[in-house]
Amino acid sequence: AQSVTQPDIHITVSEGASLELRCNYSYGATPYLFWYVQSPGQGLQLLLKYFSGDTLVQGIKGFEAEFKRSQSSFNLRKPSVHWSDAAEYFCAVGTVTGGGNKLTFGTGTQLKVEL
Amino acid sequence: GAVVSQHPSRVICKSGTSVKIECRSLDFQATTMFWYRQFPKKSLMLMATSNEGSKATYEQGVEKDKFLINHASLTLSTLTVTSAHPEDSSFYICSARAEVGYEQYFGPGTRLTVT
Repeated sequence: AQSVTQPDIHITVSEGASLELRCNYSYGATPYLFWYVQSPGQGLQLLLKYFSGDTLVQGIKGFEAEFKRSQSSFNLRKPSVHWSDAAEYFCAVGTVTGGGNKLTFGTGTQLKVEL
Repeated sequence: GAVVSQHPSRVICKSGTSVKIECRSLDFQATTMFWYRQFPKKSLMLMATSNEGSKATYEQGVEKDKFLINHASLTLSTLTVTSAHPEDSSFYICSARAEVGYEQYFGPGTRLTVT
């Protein structure tokens, strides 16, 4: 079965500093990979996705992620964090099943931004 | 595009009563909808997958008689929590996937509190 690990439960960075959120996955085939962001009491917004092709993926809000097959990782990065980036970030792996395309989520990383 | 709404956003009900949550895809036809449950400071747990016009597929450990899912049209799925108990209090999030494509688009969530 597929699984996603986000090793960092909480991360605090200063505004303007760079950010990297870690994500490792376990899946037998080529994965579909996603990063979502959730603000308090809200649903999830897709930041970026990887299906195939270029392993460096650009997303919205200045985020990017790099798929590294050898490390089973899909880390999210941003060169300069803004205070509005404070939120919960979820990495997810997508699998194709008979009944539909399921997403398995990591446990999330809570990002706090210090002004 | 790809907007998903949920109604209500917040509901409080008494123990023993039933409550219905609606999930609508506003600008696309959703052949598949997913229902997730999220506990405080936890990840999203997939409860069930529903395809339009057919019975929902429930994940292991999810009581199908307690969480009734109906996907009667290509733009509407409903989750009914029957005989609700305080332990059913949670944040319920739906997502929808179009006929073409892999992405899931998430609703804003419904906060259920059972007293």
